[in-house]
Amino acid sequence: DAGVTQSPTHLIKTRGQQVTLRCSPISGHKSVSWYQQVLGQGPQFIFQYYEKEERGRGNFPDRFSARQFPNYSSELNVNALLLGDSALYLCASRPRRLAGGPYNEQFFGPGTRLTVL
Amino acid sequence: AQTVTQSQPEMSVQEAETVTLSCTYDTSENNYYLFWYKQPPSRQMILVIRQEAYKQQNATENRFSVNFQKAAKSFSLKISDSQLGDTAMYFCAFSNTNAGKSTFGDGTTLTVKP
Repeated sequence: DAGVTQSPTHLIKTRGQQVTLRCSPISGHKSVSWYQQVLGQGPQFIFQYYEKEERGRGNFPDRFSARQFPNYSSELNVNALLLGDSALYLCASRPRRLAGGPYNEQFFGPGTRLTVL
Repeated sequence: AQTVTQSQPEMSVQEAETVTLSCTYDTSENNYYLFWYKQPPSRQMILVIRQEAYKQQNATENRFSVNFQKAAKSFSLKISDSQLGDTAMYFCAFSNTNAGKSTFGDGTTLTVKP
């Protein structure tokens, strides 16, 4: 089975530009989360989507937005890029947890390395 | 808000020996989960081990085990019989019942030396 896939692998942008990152979850997974991992730090939660609805947002400015499509794939958009947006952007998916069912872990993709010059 | 602290930025261990990575966390919640993730140089983050806070028994997965001290809010990872393939960044993470909103520490870079 294919794991979580992300595109592109690497991306170079200049300050002020806009970027769109894409994520395809594992088949059957309806929840997608986005994390930002700055070099030398742990991932920071940006967004979570479930069934096309936003279920959580981390402490990030409004320049960051996301959406989830009917096929459960997701896009992360970042406007007006800043140098500090340079990071590895990770996408993770998890299956729906049934009431009273076992805990479901999240599965990470390989990430998109964004460099802002 | 939850916080996760890993106080060891870098550690090294000889092959076949045992190493322990430390993690402390802060939360006011009673029902939560703790994780150790491994991120090798290829970047793919994978789950190593998980601990449910309501379980007193420490989790074990083959060579990996944890020491979960709920009152002290401590969650350390012990790697036994270290292998070269264990070389990676290790992240401690916390979540409530929604794993999709996890809080991570800043990681410990572990190097296993031959």
